[in-house]
Amino acid sequence: DAMVIQNPRYQVTQFGKPVTLSCSQTLNHNVMYWYQQKSSQAPKLLFHYYDKDFNNEADTPDNFQSRRPNTSFCFLDIRSPGLGDAAMYLCATSRPPGVGGETQYFGPGTRLLVL
Amino acid sequence: AQKVTQAQTEISVVEKEDVTLDCVYETRDTTYYLFWYKQPPSGELVFLIRRNSFDEQNEISGRYSWNFQKSTSSFNFTITASQVVDSAVYFCALSENRSGTYKYIFGTGTRLKVLA
Repeated sequence: DAMVIQNPRYQVTQFGKPVTLSCSQTLNHNVMYWYQQKSSQAPKLLFHYYDKDFNNEADTPDNFQSRRPNTSFCFLDIRSPGLGDAAMYLCATSRPPGVGGETQYFGPGTRLLVL
Repeated sequence: AQKVTQAQTEISVVEKEDVTLDCVYETRDTTYYLFWYKQPPSGELVFLIRRNSFDEQNEISGRYSWNFQKSTSSFNFTITASQVVDSAVYFCALSENRSGTYKYIFGTGTRLKVLA
């Protein structure tokens, strides 16, 4: 009964080689978030979708893109990964504001290693 | 400005000791939500508790208890009779509605080590 699923759990890529991380949810939540978490740091919000509406954080590098083809799936694309992009990437979902939207449900994360 | 402070970077205790993790927050809003998450070495963020700004009742769940005090803007977390399995990083977070969506402001986390 997994609710927020992230694949793969571990991803190894090469410097500059595009990589895509995926997130799916069975909760039918309207909002999906992508976070980056580096070692010994708090998660940092990269962007989120409210349905099809995409919201980028001001300091998210252009190297990071996202796609949400339907309610259930959301993808994080890193166009040209650098060594500094090695991190844990966490996906989360929530209901809309007003109906429990204040609580986010996290997936298990994908650890990205850049060689 | 909105901010969450977890002043304790790392705490080590011996098994069966009680331990309190501190969380202090700053917000302009009258309506907000506070959370605690546990992050074990596997990396997943495990939800522990949610508290809204209008509910100052303390809560107990097994060995876990939470003390919410608006007067001091604190939301502290106590583990009673700690166990090795409690070893993890614990994050306190503040959730506020910004531009129609809730966003989390995380503290920097407290790493708890419970020694056998």
